[in-house]
Amino acid sequence: RKEVEQDPGPFNVPEGATVAFNCTYSNSASQSFFWYRQDCRKEPKLLMSVYSSGNEDGRFTAQLNRASQYISLLIRDSKLSDSATYLCVVTDSWGKLQFGAGTQVVVTP
Amino acid sequence: ETGVTQSPTHLIKTRGQQVTLRCSSQSGHNTVSWYQQALGQGPQFIFQYYREEENGRGNFPPRFSGLQFPNYSSELNVNALELDDSALYLCASISVGQGDNEQFFGPGTRLTVL
Repeated sequence: RKEVEQDPGPFNVPEGATVAFNCTYSNSASQSFFWYRQDCRKEPKLLMSVYSSGNEDGRFTAQLNRASQYISLLIRDSKLSDSATYLCVVTDSWGKLQFGAGTQVVVTP
Repeated sequence: ETGVTQSPTHLIKTRGQQVTLRCSSQSGHNTVSWYQQALGQGPQFIFQYYREEENGRGNFPPRFSGLQFPNYSSELNVNALELDDSALYLCASISVGQGDNEQFFGPGTRLTVL
């Protein structure tokens, strides 16, 4: 079983719509949680950290459920520029990142 | 731009050869991690260096080795290359112990093994 699992998608989303997807993680001792965004053939870039209380950054909302060991990301009012692969990431105390395989989002006009 | 640089950007090697990839970490960051990202997969942790010592290793064979230098830059060496080593190799720097746990990735080195 993979340590971080994601639905690979693709999620095809009309521009302006809302899309949400989850990832699950297996290590209950995981300390930090993030969503990274990766554009085709580019390096991953931090999108946002994820906290148990939930956090919002503009059109993006992330949520962590420690009891069920899943993390979610919701994108409202999708833009064409949101098309990317979204990587779910968990870390241990030394900052070692465990990545999911990514969820591909394609926003269409 | 993150301030993390990697060289070369692209590399083509043949099976059995050896390769050295280089990474310069962001100023003030004392830890470098290396990741391998195969096509269609998420990055997989290879190892991490903290103050010139290996500090954690993923599920990679010993032919993957590394170094970190006093200026915190790092090298990844891969011996006896195999076809499956073809991937994007990413390094990330982090400032452990200074309250900042964001990892900043370099642009990666795309290695093709023929």
